[in-house]
Amino acid sequence: DGGITQSPKYLFRKEGQNVTLSCEQNLNHDAMYWYRQDPGQGLRLIYYSQIVNDFQKGDIAEGYSVSREKKESFPLTVTSAQKNPTAFYLCASSIRVEAFFGQGTRLTVV
Amino acid sequence: AQTVTQSQPEMSVQEAETVTLSCTYDTSESDYYLFWYKQPPSRQMILVIRQEAYKQQNATENRFSVNFQKAAKSFSLKISDSQLGDAAMYFCAYRSALETSGSRLTFGEGTQLTVNP
Repeated sequence: DGGITQSPKYLFRKEGQNVTLSCEQNLNHDAMYWYRQDPGQGLRLIYYSQIVNDFQKGDIAEGYSVSREKKESFPLTVTSAQKNPTAFYLCASSIRVEAFFGQGTRLTVV
Repeated sequence: AQTVTQSQPEMSVQEAETVTLSCTYDTSESDYYLFWYKQPPSRQMILVIRQEAYKQQNATENRFSVNFQKAAKSFSLKISDSQLGDAAMYFCAYRSALETSGSRLTFGEGTQLTVNP
């Protein structure tokens, strides 16, 4: 089945550690996105990529990094510089108008 | 920059009745898209309905319809014959039609809809 796969579903991180969230799509979409969801704040854009080997910062990019070496993959690294990383992270991809979302990763700092 | 505002953090409706969720947005662009997404407890984002700004006719998808008022920058969602499965968080979202925008979505804060049996 075509779709977007995020892994893991739950992730725990110690303070001061970097952690990488995986996002893979087999929809052949050029554009991919990372959003962060916090209670009462909707979804906020972290980074997006319209094409392989190119990406742009979104509204809350500080403390995060991404890479886009393959069309299918857009991993997100949450670095130790991110002050409040506990949140729900959603990956999406799009072609033309509609965006498709993965099932999300819940990151908790312990 | 575009902004999207949902002023109703929570709404409730009786099963089989009708409910309307509100959304306003701010933009200086004339061509764009608007969406309503549903996020049930599974947290999977599901597209409910979309509206192209250049179309005057309001979009409809089965029990879901919108009231798009371009001049007022208002985009409300009406759910008719509400069902228990409609209970979810609903997000209004904006997307510019400009290619340079990267097709990014701007979301509102969400409205939590409860359906009472």
